[in-house]
Amino acid sequence: AQSVTQLGSHVSVSEGALVLLRCNYSSSVPPYLFWYVQYPNQGLQLLLKYTSAATLVKGINGFEAEFKKSETSFHLTKPSAHMSDAAEYFCAVSDYGGAQKLVFGQGTRLTINP
Amino acid sequence: EPEVTQTPSHQVTQMGQEVILRCVPISNHLYFYWYRQILGQKVEFLVSFYNNEISEKSEIFDDQFSVERPDGSNFTLKIRSTKLEDSAMYFCASRPYGQGNTEAFFGQGTRLTVV
Repeated sequence: AQSVTQLGSHVSVSEGALVLLRCNYSSSVPPYLFWYVQYPNQGLQLLLKYTSAATLVKGINGFEAEFKKSETSFHLTKPSAHMSDAAEYFCAVSDYGGAQKLVFGQGTRLTINP
Repeated sequence: EPEVTQTPSHQVTQMGQEVILRCVPISNHLYFYWYRQILGQKVEFLVSFYNNEISEKSEIFDDQFSVERPDGSNFTLKIRSTKLEDSAMYFCASRPYGQGNTEAFFGQGTRLTVV
């Protein structure tokens, strides 16, 4: 069965600092990997996705993530945090076939300090 | 830009009552999903729906739950006899058909409160 572990339920960084949100996955087959963002009182918005093409994936709002098979990781980074990045971030995995349901991690709440 | 819409945004119901959560997926999408997020917990898969039938369901999706696509646009989740533990945010999502179409688009969610 697939699973996702996000290290750190809360991450706090200063405005302008590097953002690093960690995600490790477990999958018996090559996975699709996703990062979604949830702003307060809103739905889930896709930030970026890995689908077996380039291992470094660029997404919206300056975020990127690198797929590392040897480490079973898909960490999310942004070089310089902005106040508007404050939100909950979810890493998710799905497999290739069938319904391609998403299995989510527990989420990381990102706080940006002025 | 096309989007998934859910109604209502918030529903309060008494324990034991039936509720229907409604979703309008993106028009050319063929896979439909319901997920839920209990406050403070992770987003959990409930059910997927394709070609007018359930393609996969989780162990959470027991006999009190049902899904339907009553017409060409709506996708509904019915909870027959609500329990306090059904209180959660319920998200509908849809996805186009095809191996290359991996992204699921989510609605804004319906917050269900069972009292």
